[in-house]
Amino acid sequence: QVRLKESKTGLVRPSQTLSLTCTVSGGSMTSSRSYWIWFRQLPGKGLEWIGYIYDMGITYYNPSLKSRVTISSDTSQNQFSLEMKAMTAADTAVYYCARKPPISLVRGSIRNHGVDVWGQGTTVTVS
Amino acid sequence: EIVLTQTPLSLSVRPGEAASISCRSSQSLFGSDEGNTYLDWYLQRPGQSPQLLIYTVSYRASGVPDRFSGEGSGTDFSLKISRVEAEDVGIYYCMQRMNFPWTFGPGTRVDIK
Repeated sequence: QVRLKESKTGLVRPSQTLSLTCTVSGGSMTSSRSYWIWFRQLPGKGLEWIGYIYDMGITYYNPSLKSRVTISSDTSQNQFSLEMKAMTAADTAVYYCARKPPISLVRGSIRNHGVDVWGQGTTVTVS
Repeated sequence: EIVLTQTPLSLSVRPGEAASISCRSSQSLFGSDEGNTYLDWYLQRPGQSPQLLIYTVSYRASGVPDRFSGEGSGTDFSLKISRVEAEDVGIYYCMQRMNFPWTFGPGTRVDIK
């Protein structure tokens, strides 16, 4: 069973860069061909997709954050990371890493699975 | 960007009663390439991370009780709980994966009367 755990950063100063790492256990990032994703949840608000990496190098980002965000992976450590530059108070949130499995074929139909594994989340405060 | 609207935004239900949440999309979520409709449902229990309930409209995720069901097509979807239990308390989100950026509905808070 795949499990994910975010590193803890806590407090980030305005204008600095946030760096978070998600450690994957219970499975190999390379063999699973999954999508490795970052989300965040602003205080008292809903969820926001930040972006993902798959095939160990292909990335897609939320256009609203794209200019500030980089998602990368380190398969030797079974980890993937989020960097977000120029942090402001508006980026204060709980950050989640997550996983979406690859497409599978079940009884002749293509199953495009949802985001089935989430980390516990890590709170980032910009102040 | 695809906008998802959920109704109601809050729901109070007695144990054993049925509940239904609606999710409406500003664009069709049907993808002709795979023939799937990219609408998922998630539950975020108090103090916890979201968990997947339903993917591509109607497929229950592994371990999800069969009292949860999803239906819909195109732009209109619903999540139904046939008999609400105490552990179903939390915020339910629909999410679309049809277009980038992936987006969520505002959430429906469900509590027990």
